[in-house]
Amino acid sequence: EAGVTQFPSHSVIEKGQTVTLRCDPISGHDNLYWYRRVMGKEIKFLLHFVKESKQDESGMPNNRFLAERTGGTYSTLKVQPAELEDSGVYFCASSQGPWGANEQFFGPGTRLTVL
Amino acid sequence: AQSVTQLGSHVSVSEGALVLLRCNYSSSVPPYLFWYVQYPNQGLQLLLKYTTGATLVKGINGFEAEFKKSETSFHLTKPSAHMSDAAEYFCAVSDMDSNYQLIWGAGTKLIIKP
Repeated sequence: EAGVTQFPSHSVIEKGQTVTLRCDPISGHDNLYWYRRVMGKEIKFLLHFVKESKQDESGMPNNRFLAERTGGTYSTLKVQPAELEDSGVYFCASSQGPWGANEQFFGPGTRLTVL
Repeated sequence: AQSVTQLGSHVSVSEGALVLLRCNYSSSVPPYLFWYVQYPNQGLQLLLKYTTGATLVKGINGFEAEFKKSETSFHLTKPSAHMSDAAEYFCAVSDMDSNYQLIWGAGTKLIIKP
């Protein structure tokens, strides 16, 4: 069974440009999460989808970030326009049941560098 | 607010020595506690978790952790380190007050000396 995949693995863009990150969860997992880790700091929750609905988006830093999950399958996270402080590693995770005790399976992350 | 503190951004041990990675959390309600590991160029992988019941939890690759409520700790141990254990380890907590969001520690890089 394929794990969580993320694309691209690395992205280098200039300030003001737009970047779209993609996450493909494990097949059948209704719950999908986005996290971000700024260099040297802790991983921070961004948002949680249940199927195509946003269950919790309290961690989204500002309105430059837009997440979608059309059809309840893969998800995209768009940053527009990108700022220097958006640099970091963006992780996606999925789980069968709602979070809490359920294990979240993580993708390898997308390393975003904004110059 | 919930928080997780991992003592030491880097921990170095000799191959065959005891591994001890420290994690302290703050939570006003019963927590769920997790240890994840990230090997180079890979995603985060669950090592073990505590939800309820037995406070000594065994995980993969010979790791275990003990939930100590009185000390608000969930330290990760392994009796004998292997070179393949070199990775970054993350402690995380979730509870009802945080809407079960995972609150993460800053991570500890484990270095294994030959």
